[in-house]
Amino acid sequence: GAVVSQHPSWVICKSGTSVKIECRSLDFQATTMFWYRQFPKQSLMLMATSNEGSKATYEQGVEKDKFLINHASLTLSTLTVTSAHPEDSSFYICSARLRRTGKRYEQYFGPGTRLTVT
Amino acid sequence: QQQVKQSPQSLIVQKGGISIINCAYENTAFDYFPWYQQFPGKGPALLIAIRPDVSEKKEGRFTISFNKSAKQFSLHIMDSQPGDSATYFCAASISPGNTPLVFGKGTRLSVIA
Repeated sequence: GAVVSQHPSWVICKSGTSVKIECRSLDFQATTMFWYRQFPKQSLMLMATSNEGSKATYEQGVEKDKFLINHASLTLSTLTVTSAHPEDSSFYICSARLRRTGKRYEQYFGPGTRLTVT
Repeated sequence: QQQVKQSPQSLIVQKGGISIINCAYENTAFDYFPWYQQFPGKGPALLIAIRPDVSEKKEGRFTISFNKSAKQFSLHIMDSQPGDSATYFCAASISPGNTPLVFGKGTRLSVIA
């Protein structure tokens, strides 16, 4: 199967500091990576779509200057939460899209990163 | 038109029973319909997926039924086990390209012994 890793799995930081979360596709090259945010007992909220070598596309309402996304290679994307505040505390999950034959593709998720801002 | 409506919000099933979760969509351009299983504190795991050219797909105890004319698809979990207790999300997207998955709101399944 396709494996997506995230690091760190959890992080606690102080208000005003920045936190970087890494997302890697371990055994495949991802055509596209996605970043989601999930609040307790809720569905996944798409934050941005990221393609290697190009700027991320952010969803409406997501501050691009606060949530910096860098897609350095076909296997690595990073999300940096800048000047984090308690309201940024959440579960952040990345996802990588694997292209199968023809138009077929599948999307795999990382294990998530629990961010707590104090 | 981009919504995927999922029901029920929560479901309690006896061990050995059949769990059924339903989803409906509006956008007829959707052509990929995956189901994800998520345990607390973990990322969603791809369970099974279907495309509109088939009406049913089965993998082990998990079956997707797809009704193109009704724009509905459902997940059936046969012989439900306590280990199946999780949140299940249906999703839909358009291929190919970079269009993101549209997720349902999720169904919390509890399988009781």
